[in-house]
Amino acid sequence: AQSVTQPDIHITVSEGASLELRCNYSYGATPYLFWYVQSPGQGLQLLLKYFSGDTLVQGIKGFEAEFKRSQSSFNLRKPSVHWSDAAEYFCAVGGEGNKLVFGAGTILRVKS
Amino acid sequence: DAGVIQSPRHEVTEMGQEVTLRCKPISGHNSLFWYRQTMMRGLELLIYFNNNVPIDDSGMPEDRFSAKMPNASFSTLKIQPSEPRDSAVYFCASSLWGRSTEAFFGQGTRLTVV
Repeated sequence: AQSVTQPDIHITVSEGASLELRCNYSYGATPYLFWYVQSPGQGLQLLLKYFSGDTLVQGIKGFEAEFKRSQSSFNLRKPSVHWSDAAEYFCAVGGEGNKLVFGAGTILRVKS
Repeated sequence: DAGVIQSPRHEVTEMGQEVTLRCKPISGHNSLFWYRQTMMRGLELLIYFNNNVPIDDSGMPEDRFSAKMPNASFSTLKIQPSEPRDSAVYFCASSLWGRSTEAFFGQGTRLTVV
């Protein structure tokens, strides 16, 4: 069965600093990978997804993620964080059938 | 399209009462998912439907929980009887069938059972 590990529960970065959120997945076949963001009191919004092709994918709000098959990773990055990026970020893998399996999430705090 | 619509946004109920959560998926989507989010367990998939048929309900915690999808534009998640440990945010999401397609989430229903 598929699974996702996000090893960092909380991360704090200074505004303007770079960001990397880690995600490791377990899936026997070609993984379909997603990053979602959740602001307080809101549903989840898709940032980006990977299912084939270029291993570096661009998303909304200036985010990007790199798929590394050899490391079973799909880390999310942003070169310069804004205060409005403070939220919870979820990595997910598309598994059997049509379902998404989510990681535990990483809460991002941004210091001004 | 207005997106996935869930109602109510907030529900407070007493232990033992029946609770019904509602979801209207995005028009044209043929897959629907119910998730539960808690601090302790994160996002858990409870059940999902494809073309109104339940495909996997292995995440439904116990018989007190049931879900239906009578047509392509409406689904319900029912808890009867409710218990305090059912307090959580319940999300509905919809998508087109296929592993590479993204799921669109509703705003969620925050359920508090007292």
